[in-house]
Formats: sequence, structure tokens, C-alpha cells
Amino acid sequence: EIVLTQSPGTLSLSPGERATLSCRASQSVSSNYLAWYQQKRGQAPRLLIYGASSRATGIPDRFSGSGSGTDFTLTISRLEPEDFAVYYCQQYGSSPETFGQGTKVEIK
Amino acid sequence: QVQLVQSGSELKKPGASVKVSCKASGYTFTRYAMNWVRQAPGQGLEWMGWIDTNTGNPTYAQGFTGRFVFSLDTSVSTAYLQISSLKAEDTAVYYCGRGDRTGYYDYWGQGTLVTVSS
Repeated sequence: EIVLTQSPGTLSLSPGERATLSCRASQSVSSNYLAWYQQKRGQAPRLLIYGASSRATGIPDRFSGSGSGTDFTLTISRLEPEDFAVYYCQQYGSSPETFGQGTKVEIK
Repeated sequence: QVQLVQSGSELKKPGASVKVSCKASGYTFTRYAMNWVRQAPGQGLEWMGWIDTNTGNPTYAQGFTGRFVFSLDTSVSTAYLQISSLKAEDTAVYYCGRGDRTGYYDYWGQGTLVTVSS
């Protein structure tokens, strides 16, 4: 099973700042099948990025994904008030699919 | 537009069973897999497994065998999760998620809270 470790656990930033979230895999993610989801309190997760770097439909271009192999990054170029949430990475390249433990982006 | 609408919250006693539904609309149901994900209170996301909506064949993650059953009614474009012999530790929000052919979840249901308490 591939273990995904997200860092940091919590990121305290102000609106307008840049957020950089990390997701490290215990072994290489097949075909870079790595997705990022955003989850706000009381809501279902929402797909942001798939295939490590492809933005999902309707996702603003301030969200970008990068990386390959075992190291992946989600960058939010300028935080908007609605971006404060928990972010999860997921690998779907090998079974069992696994999620990281999440990074909370909170208002500083 | 694509929608996954889940059934409402459930309060069950230990030992009982529960069946959660996930009704799909806005697309051809049998063209996409359906996944199930558990989120315990204050915790992260945990993949439970998936069901092939074309064949009805389920795949369960480790830890979700025996008491958990995925099923379908393709005539009404609905997937089901049944949990038997409920325990307090089954208390969680359960999500269905439509699986793209490569495996990421592009649409999610709104979640169903199952509370197990005596």
C-alpha cells in the first residue's frame, strides 16, 4: 500500500498570500495518478487537480499541481477567502487507492 | 448536470444494519465506476472500495470486507452501501464518488452521516 504523507499539517496564511502544500508518497505513483481535493467544513470533497497537474473543470487557474514519482505539490498562487479549507491528495495508480491525512489551510 | 444525491442521515443501534443510497443523474450510470469513501468524525478520507457499474462486480478495501456490501439498481441509476452488525466505530460520513476511467473522483455525493449509538 502506498502511504501518502502531507505537509505541513496546518498552514496559517493571509488572503493574497501563496500557499504551497506537499504530498510525498512512500513509493512511486504509477503514471503520476495523483489527485488533489478541497474539502470545506460540512461539505463533500471537490476535485481540484488530477494526473498530478491537470485542473478539473471549473477550477480557477490560481490552483496548480506539479510533481512526479514520489513528490507532488499543490500551489495556490493567491489565497482567496473561499480557499481556506482542508486539502487532500489521493493516489489512484495502484490498489488500494490511498489518501493523505490532509493539510488545513487556515486564516492567519 | 451530473449529480449524486445520497440518502439522509441515519441513527442506528449497535448490531443493526443500514443501507445508504447514492442516486446518479446527468450521465450514463453504467459508464463510470462508483466508489465509496468513509470519513470518521474529525478524521481524513478513507477509501472503502468501488463497484463496477457495468458488471456489478465489487472490490473492497482491506478492513471493509464481510460487513460491507456494495450493490446497484441500474434501472434507477442508484448505488447502495449496506453495513451490517453496526458498531460504534462505524459512526462516520459515507460518501459516494464517481470514478473516472483512470480512477480519480470527479463528482461526489453530499455525504450520509451514519451514527451508531445505544
